[in-house]
Amino acid sequence: DQQVKQNSPSLSVQEGRISILNCDYTNSMFDYFLWYKKYPAEGPTFLISISSIKDKNEDGRFTVFLNKSAKHLSLHIVPSQPGDSAVYFCACFGITGTASKLTFGTGTRLQVTL
Amino acid sequence: NAGVTQTPKFQVLKTGQSMTLQCAQDMNHEYMSWYRQDPGMGLRLIHYSVGAGITDQGEVPNGYNVSRSTTEDFPLRLLSAAPSQTSVYFCASSPNLRGVQYFGAGTRLSVL
Repeated sequence: DQQVKQNSPSLSVQEGRISILNCDYTNSMFDYFLWYKKYPAEGPTFLISISSIKDKNEDGRFTVFLNKSAKHLSLHIVPSQPGDSAVYFCACFGITGTASKLTFGTGTRLQVTL
Repeated sequence: NAGVTQTPKFQVLKTGQSMTLQCAQDMNHEYMSWYRQDPGMGLRLIHYSVGAGITDQGEVPNGYNVSRSTTEDFPLRLLSAAPSQTSVYFCASSPNLRGVQYFGAGTRLSVL
């Protein structure tokens, strides 16, 4: 039962354009959402987060949008740069079963081309 | 500043062998966790700990044991390795349950 889904395994975007990565979740108990970025042979690193009381959070070129009614969040990268090429994981925090945990999505590989 | 350190980086085991994946953090974080990453499956939580002496199961705990005797260390033990445990393993730490998690560089394990 995949509670957090990233339906696009890969995405290719030209340098300078906008990258939009999507994430859908099913558990209405999730109340804190994060995006992590992962380069090959490295561990994931935190990128940006949003609380369920907000619908948008911006940090430089990165903006996360949350649509609670649709149980959907997205990450916008503007403008995209070649160094943004990586795998992006969304993660949702909240009660899962009997405890509060962080649940990760399956990841989207972003390639930014010149 | 080391952060989260995992050893070894690579390991090949035969079916039935045992081993311990080491994880140490120097940030005095209370919360530590182990994940495995498999193609198309994302990061799945194996075990976690909210402090020294306290551990709990995650999403995929079968075949793995953990203990937390100190704040700094959180080793993951495979008692009898199986090919299904071939994966990349990540250890993470966080100042609290809801906090940002800091990951190690991972251990790539192959079980033949």
